[in-house]
Amino acid sequence: KQEVTQIPAALSVPEGENLVLNCSFTDSAIYNLQWFRQDPGKGLTSLLLIQSSQREQTSGRLNASLDKSSGRSTLYIAASQPGDSATYLCAVSQHNQGGKLIFGQGTELSVKP
Amino acid sequence: DVKVTQSSRYLVKRTGEKVFLECVQDMDHENMFWYRQDPGLGLRLIYFSYDVKMKEKGDIPEGYSVSREKKERFSLILESASTNQTSMYLCASSFEAGVKDTQYFGPGTRLTVL
Repeated sequence: KQEVTQIPAALSVPEGENLVLNCSFTDSAIYNLQWFRQDPGKGLTSLLLIQSSQREQTSGRLNASLDKSSGRSTLYIAASQPGDSATYLCAVSQHNQGGKLIFGQGTELSVKP
Repeated sequence: DVKVTQSSRYLVKRTGEKVFLECVQDMDHENMFWYRQDPGLGLRLIYFSYDVKMKEKGDIPEGYSVSREKKERFSLILESASTNQTSMYLCASSFEAGVKDTQYFGPGTRLTVL
């Protein structure tokens, strides 16, 4: 059974710092991996989707990498800002699962001015 | 832009009541999903649907049912609400289950069962 783990559970950094969030999964047979952002009391917003055949995706200050063989993904945030404060979730989808996502428990990020 | 809307942001119900949570998407997506989110447990899939009148159980379907009579609308039903169903409920939709697909989420409904 696929399990997704995110470390750390919470992270606090000063504004301007570069940071890395980690995600690991137990079964490497994935379709894709997605990173989401969730603001308190709100729904999820998709940030990046990495297909199983890709190694990384970039959007602005965000870069996500995928190493399928080791079951790991990282989300790199450059030059962090207070507006980046949120919970970041990673999720994987698998073959023959109808697009069903399996989520990690998230990393709660706080960027201090 | 894809829009997924949920009928209520906050809902308070009493134990034993029948509760309907509605979700509507405006992008002609085939797939729709209902999750619940609880502290320490993360997001867990309750039910999903590939098409009209189709439904599949997720990881925690007990105590819930769903209805999809029209492509754009997916309803979650709590037949007899219980206090352990107090949670944040999130609906999502996607165009197709595949390599490039992503799920789009609604704003969530925070349900409290007293």
